[in-house]
Amino acid sequence: DAGVIQSPRHEVTEMGQEVTLRCKPISGHNSLFWYRQTMMRGLELLIYFNNNVPIDDSGMPEDRFSAKMPNASFSTLKIQPSEPRDSAVYFCASSHPGTPLGGYTFGSGTRLTVV
Amino acid sequence: AQSVSQHNHHVILSEAASLELGCNYSYGGTVNLFWYVQYPGQHLQLLLKYFSGDPLVKGIKGFEAEFIKSKFSFNLRKPSVQWSDTAEYFCAVTANQAGTALIFGKGTTLSVSS
Repeated sequence: DAGVIQSPRHEVTEMGQEVTLRCKPISGHNSLFWYRQTMMRGLELLIYFNNNVPIDDSGMPEDRFSAKMPNASFSTLKIQPSEPRDSAVYFCASSHPGTPLGGYTFGSGTRLTVV
Repeated sequence: AQSVSQHNHHVILSEAASLELGCNYSYGGTVNLFWYVQYPGQHLQLLLKYFSGDPLVKGIKGFEAEFIKSKFSFNLRKPSVQWSDTAEYFCAVTANQAGTALIFGKGTTLSVSS
């Protein structure tokens, strides 16, 4: 089991550019979560999906942020246009049907720096 | 909606000292509780979790936590810390139903000096 796979591990981009973060959940997990981690705000839930359907996107900070899950094995988080205050570590997590008993598994994160 | 409060932002201890990190949650229904650890530069790893039954749960690396329902608390403890326990610790809560999201506290940074 390769775990939750996120790419890229690091991303440096200029303000105004589009950024796309990618996540591959564990096979068989039907829920997927996107979190953002900053020093000031800690770990914030941005959005999560059950069976590829967005359930709660109230944590998405602005319209510049969007997330998709076109199939059970892939999700993207897009920021367009990016701003310096978007700099953070973005984590993806997935969970098994029957969670919370099944637990949540986190990816290694994408460290985004917007200059 | 659920929320989690961690009392200590930064805790500094010497090796062999005892540890207790506070966590309180807010939610009107049945919850499941977790502690995660994040070592420098790494992703979140599960330390322990509580779903039901014995309110004293034991996790990896000698950590334990006690669920006190009347106090809405789930404090993390370790009798004797090691330098390798230096990390950030997150308490998290989720509603007791499938397909719900973890809500995290802001975290506590633990620094252990040798």
